[in-house]
Amino acid sequence: SQQGEEDPQALSIQEGENATMNCSYKTSINNLQWYRQNSGRGLVHLILIRSNEREKHSGRLRVTLDTSKKSSSLLITASRAADTASYFCATPPQGGSEKLVFGKGTKLTVNP
Amino acid sequence: GAGVSQSPSNKVTEKGKDVELRCDPISGHTALYWYRQSLGQGLEFLIYFQGNSAPDKSGLPSDRFSAERTGGSVSTLTIQRTQQEDSAVYLCASSLDVGRNTIYFGEGSWLTVV
Repeated sequence: SQQGEEDPQALSIQEGENATMNCSYKTSINNLQWYRQNSGRGLVHLILIRSNEREKHSGRLRVTLDTSKKSSSLLITASRAADTASYFCATPPQGGSEKLVFGKGTKLTVNP
Repeated sequence: GAGVSQSPSNKVTEKGKDVELRCDPISGHTALYWYRQSLGQGLEFLIYFQGNSAPDKSGLPSDRFSAERTGGSVSTLTIQRTQQEDSAVYLCASSLDVGRNTIYFGEGSWLTVV
């Protein structure tokens, strides 16, 4: 079963607007990661937030983590057309296998 | 190398043929992962290696799929008797260690079975 599930599945905004994507997960985690994928090819790591952190920033990206609600959000501020991509959250579940499990992603379209 | 390298980048094969997909991880990375992504879908975990051993093969779809890793470096994913449903992008990733570090992806191998 999916560990992380992103919401919404698709998001279309205008350049300059902010984009918010959410991720919910099911089990306890050590960290949660966000990745970006252009055109169905390789994923690029954006940001990692640890379970003892509540918020993290990287450039125009802001990630929050609420372990009580088992959810995370990715905010992209002042979006650009080049931000158009699919965004995935991923978690390594505690215990058992250490594989990184991905959600189905949010497809973001930023219109110029 | 500088990044995770995969080959071939694109492969078209006839149904029933065997294919081999290769992954060269980042030098020094002990963990290596294989994922599959069908068109418009999320990533499906296939297998991961810690060194040369594969603690978790649970994602391999059938016994037609196998993977090995030698010398703690290069990995090969082999699909025997390919079927049309095997058509997907096969993504390889590596990390310094399993589970607690960022994983770095290659550009993938796009497999089309006709």
